[in-house]
Amino acid sequence: DQQVKQNSPSLSVQEGRISILNCDYTNSMFDYFLWYKKYPAEGPTFLISISSIKDKNEDGRFTVFLNKSAKHLSLHIVPSQPGDSAVYFCAASASGGANSKLTFGKGITLSVRP
Amino acid sequence: DAGVIQSPRHEVTEMGQEVTLRCKPISGHNSLFWYRQTMMRGLELLIYFNNNVPIDDSGMPEDRFSAKMPNASFSTLKIQPSEPRDSAVYFCASSLERGSYEQYFGPGTRLTVT
Repeated sequence: DQQVKQNSPSLSVQEGRISILNCDYTNSMFDYFLWYKKYPAEGPTFLISISSIKDKNEDGRFTVFLNKSAKHLSLHIVPSQPGDSAVYFCAASASGGANSKLTFGKGITLSVRP
Repeated sequence: DAGVIQSPRHEVTEMGQEVTLRCKPISGHNSLFWYRQTMMRGLELLIYFNNNVPIDDSGMPEDRFSAKMPNASFSTLKIQPSEPRDSAVYFCASSLERGSYEQYFGPGTRLTVT
């Protein structure tokens, strides 16, 4: 049972436009969310995160939005650049001291066309 | 700074053989995670350690899989005997302290079992 779902396996956008990557979760205990970016033949690298006490976090071209009532988060990249082409993983964690593990979605492949 | 180091980067073996994957976490990090990435299931947590002690191994698929962390700078993931369905990319990640959400991933080991 996938607790973190990235239902769209791929997304293609034009350079300079906005990329919107979506993620849904089912576990109401999740209270911290992260996005990771992965290039081929490399490990995932941390991109941006958000705590459940916030509904928005921004870092340069990247913004993550959290809608707790809908159990939905999204990553916005604007403007998109060809170097953003990668696989993006959504991850979630339930705090509580003893549990620091992350649950990942399957990933979305983003292609930014020049 | 050296990141998480994994070896080998690629492993091809025949069904029934023993496979050992190795990981050196970032110095000073005290949590270590083993993940497996497949197309079908995405990125799955297999097991994680805190201060060299296994905390959660509920993701280990079956008894053929075992993991050890004999000291703070080394961990192994062993598959014995290996099967074709074990073919995947195996990632090791480390984090600085318990409850820290950001994990740093190694480049992964691509395992092919024929």
